[in-house]
Amino acid sequence: GQQLNQSPQSMFIQEGEDVSMNCTSSSIFNTWLWYKQDPGEGPVLLIALYKAGELTSNGRLTAQFGITRKDSFLNISASIPSDVGIYFCAGQDIMKTSYDKVIFGPGTSLSVIP
Amino acid sequence: ETGVTQTPRHLVMGMTNKKSLKCEQHLGHNAMYWYKQSAKKPLELMFVYSLEERVENNSVPSRFSPECPNSSHLFLHLHTLQPEDSALYLCASSQDFRVSEPSALHFGNGTRLTVT
Repeated sequence: GQQLNQSPQSMFIQEGEDVSMNCTSSSIFNTWLWYKQDPGEGPVLLIALYKAGELTSNGRLTAQFGITRKDSFLNISASIPSDVGIYFCAGQDIMKTSYDKVIFGPGTSLSVIP
Repeated sequence: ETGVTQTPRHLVMGMTNKKSLKCEQHLGHNAMYWYKQSAKKPLELMFVYSLEERVENNSVPSRFSPECPNSSHLFLHLHTLQPEDSALYLCASSQDFRVSEPSALHFGNGTRLTVT
């Protein structure tokens, strides 16, 4: 079935550094979503992308919908300790009405060293 | 209160127990979901309800039984679980499910379930 790959699987960075992570798929999606999950919490939606090539920002976060519609990127600028968590990408095929309408990646674990 | 609320936050149960997880959404959404999150694995969709009708049962064992009495509430009834069912169970909602337009999922904080 469909699956998403996220890289890197985990990363340790120094506070103040910029972060880049990506998500790739063998399938085309209509929507890309980026979530962050803090320890003991549910995933929180960070950015939603609806059009190929779209670049969207949310504060220090910037995400792009790849032009092939098979990938997406998330960048975090000037990282701070509260950026720690697991970042999930999700691809959504809006034409499907079955369980694989939304597919989640395995996540990128981010650790920020003060 | 806004968002998606799940109770309890933590649950420990024996394999012969019967328990229920509760989810309530205050977003006016029409679709609700149960996901299972295990360590090192992607989120697994279990059930989808759209306008109180179950539209997906993603090959989930019968020891998990969902119930959606109205569009704001969702339950997951648990019976004779196995230790491998220990996981974080997440409820989510979205505006719609069976529509050809984007509908982002909004998650609750989950119930951490431990089966002993």
